[in-house]
Amino acid sequence: KNQVEQSPQSLIILEGKNCTLQCNYTVSPFSNLRWYKQDTGRGPVSLTIMTFSENTKSNGRYTATLDADTKQSSLHITASQLSDSASYICVVTGGYNKLIFGAGTRLAVHP
Amino acid sequence: NAGVTQTPKFQVLKTGQSMTLQCAQDMNHNSMYWYRQDPGMGLRLIYYSASEGTTDKGEVPNGYNVSRLNKREFSLRLESAAPSQTSVYFCASSEALEGARVYYEQYFGPGTRLTVT
Repeated sequence: KNQVEQSPQSLIILEGKNCTLQCNYTVSPFSNLRWYKQDTGRGPVSLTIMTFSENTKSNGRYTATLDADTKQSSLHITASQLSDSASYICVVTGGYNKLIFGAGTRLAVHP
Repeated sequence: NAGVTQTPKFQVLKTGQSMTLQCAQDMNHNSMYWYRQDPGMGLRLIYYSASEGTTDKGEVPNGYNVSRLNKREFSLRLESAAPSQTSVYFCASSEALEGARVYYEQYFGPGTRLTVT
């Protein structure tokens, strides 16, 4: 069964600290993996997209990694800010137009 | 350039009532989508439209209908609302559908929070 599992479900960190969010998937075939940020009450906004041949991609303080062999991805946030408080969603595309969404990790950054 | 807009932002319905959720995009995208987001679950695709004049079922289409009115607009209709349809509904658009080796960014609207009592 195609699945995308994210951990942890929720996370609290202090402003300025780093954190890493995890995504494991069992989607086959694999086309690409993306990370979205979803602020409370808003729609998801794309952070990164990686194809199977890419193993790292950065967008400012966000760095995503992909290990296609172990079917794992991580999103690392450096020097967190209060505005990073949001849900982070891992999405894997498998086959034609088939996006599988993870349930998300809810991150709270406290001052 | 508003991106993807949705109306209404909030709605409360009684069981059995009907309503239409509206979505419009100004990015000249060919493909549009309707998703629902429930607590503890990932977004699930209800219906999508690859291009103007075409619509197809997604993962959870039962209880819904859609209309691709023109290239800009894609509406979602609940004919007889049920409490199980209480959810947050997101419309999204992309330049085209994903292929085996080609991907397109999906842009999401702000969502409609629907409660069915």
